[in-house]
Amino acid sequence: GAGVSQTPSNKVTEKGKYVELRCDPISGHTALYWYRQSLGQGPEFLIYFQGTGAADDSGLPNDRFFAVRPEGSVSTLKIQRTERGDSAVYLCASSLNPQGANTGELFFGEGSRLTVL
Amino acid sequence: AQSVTQLDSHVSVSEGTPVLLRCNYSSSYSPSLFWYVQHPNKGLQLLLKYTSAATLVKGINGFEAEFKKSETSFHLTKPSAHMSDAAEYFCVVNHGSSNTGKLIFGQGTTLQVKP
Repeated sequence: GAGVSQTPSNKVTEKGKYVELRCDPISGHTALYWYRQSLGQGPEFLIYFQGTGAADDSGLPNDRFFAVRPEGSVSTLKIQRTERGDSAVYLCASSLNPQGANTGELFFGEGSRLTVL
Repeated sequence: AQSVTQLDSHVSVSEGTPVLLRCNYSSSYSPSLFWYVQHPNKGLQLLLKYTSAATLVKGINGFEAEFKKSETSFHLTKPSAHMSDAAEYFCVVNHGSSNTGKLIFGQGTTLQVKP
């Protein structure tokens, strides 16, 4: 597609459930990023992939959060045993190359809004 | 550590009047700075960027920002606001000199444009 695609756009789940959020980056973009945006806040970095590998996962809040990018394209963010505090908009972005973060050339999706009841 | 502070959480202007959104940064080295805009139900979009070239940076839709090292500021301006400018604006700094993909976002400024 023309832009970064994220599914689902909205997800409501119950506390303790498992959730997967999907990101389909712009074709040909090697770098992929996940951010989390809580209500009234700016996005916060979670994890960065270069190709298939996680180059920096220092933003993942705890071991309930995990992300994969097995073929270097689509990525899935996985959240186990969800908590109410996980409620946020999860943003995915991609860039043509690793220099994207330094040049600001990150292309963001519209996000997946997660609500944990 | 790098950080940004957006000095106003909400700015309201009348259509046709100037816009000023303020941002101060903290960085232990020469940073790259950006402004992103987020319209309702839309993805974040890059407005403009400073990457150690010219200190006055021009972006899309008539926006500009000036990098002032002495004041550690990177304020966003536009001479004349348009109704379509109403959105959330984020000042952003890159985390470090390595390519980690880690951008540091400010808390955002909501721009309201009144007719």
